[in-house]
Amino acid sequence: ETGVTQTPRHLVMGMTNKKSLKCEQHLGHNAMYWYKQSAKKPLELMFVYNFKEQTENNSVPSRFSPECPNSSHLFLHLHTLQPEDSALYLCASSQEESQFFGPGTRLTVL
Amino acid sequence: GDSVTQMEGPVTLSEEAFLTINCTYTATGYPSLFWYVQYPGEGLQLLLKATKADDKGSNKGFEATYRKETTSFHLEKGSVQVSDSAVYFCALRKTGSARQLTFGSGTQLTVLP
Repeated sequence: ETGVTQTPRHLVMGMTNKKSLKCEQHLGHNAMYWYKQSAKKPLELMFVYNFKEQTENNSVPSRFSPECPNSSHLFLHLHTLQPEDSALYLCASSQEESQFFGPGTRLTVL
Repeated sequence: GDSVTQMEGPVTLSEEAFLTINCTYTATGYPSLFWYVQYPGEGLQLLLKATKADDKGSNKGFEATYRKETTSFHLEKGSVQVSDSAVYFCALRKTGSARQLTFGSGTQLTVLP
């Protein structure tokens, strides 16, 4: 049990669908993150939330829309995705220096 | 900007062999350094960390020493097991208010029985 859970674990969607990824942390941390992990590429930081406020948006396309309603929950809303958006999407949280990761959502866009 | 360079994999070893995975970094100031491990089908897990020069992080038989003079943080283990097969990521975090981690590209390790 890592303390960071993600649902769903696997998701297949068409390019016209709208779906959401959910992340929940049970560690009492005040920062949460979305990362994208594609094959043979370094992890890409997408968004950072600190005390529910977005502090980083690393030039992510608008078809990805994050939401952080409280410090324990983080969502990534997806719409009109492209096949190249297929990847493992990882959520993480932190309080001090070390980040703790969830198991990820494996997303396939057809 | 900050960057982390890891030795390219994949690395294949026999059980009980000695492991070294090289990691060097480029950063201003004095970053904290991390090794994360990702087992198949799972997210990243923190393996060890070091926050200042000459610190040695260790966990589960793995060790890495923060070498400021060579800007390196090489991961070592004296005797690997099949269960160590995973992808290993080196990462750095700058000091200060920024929370962003910069990751290396990862090194796939396969340990054969």
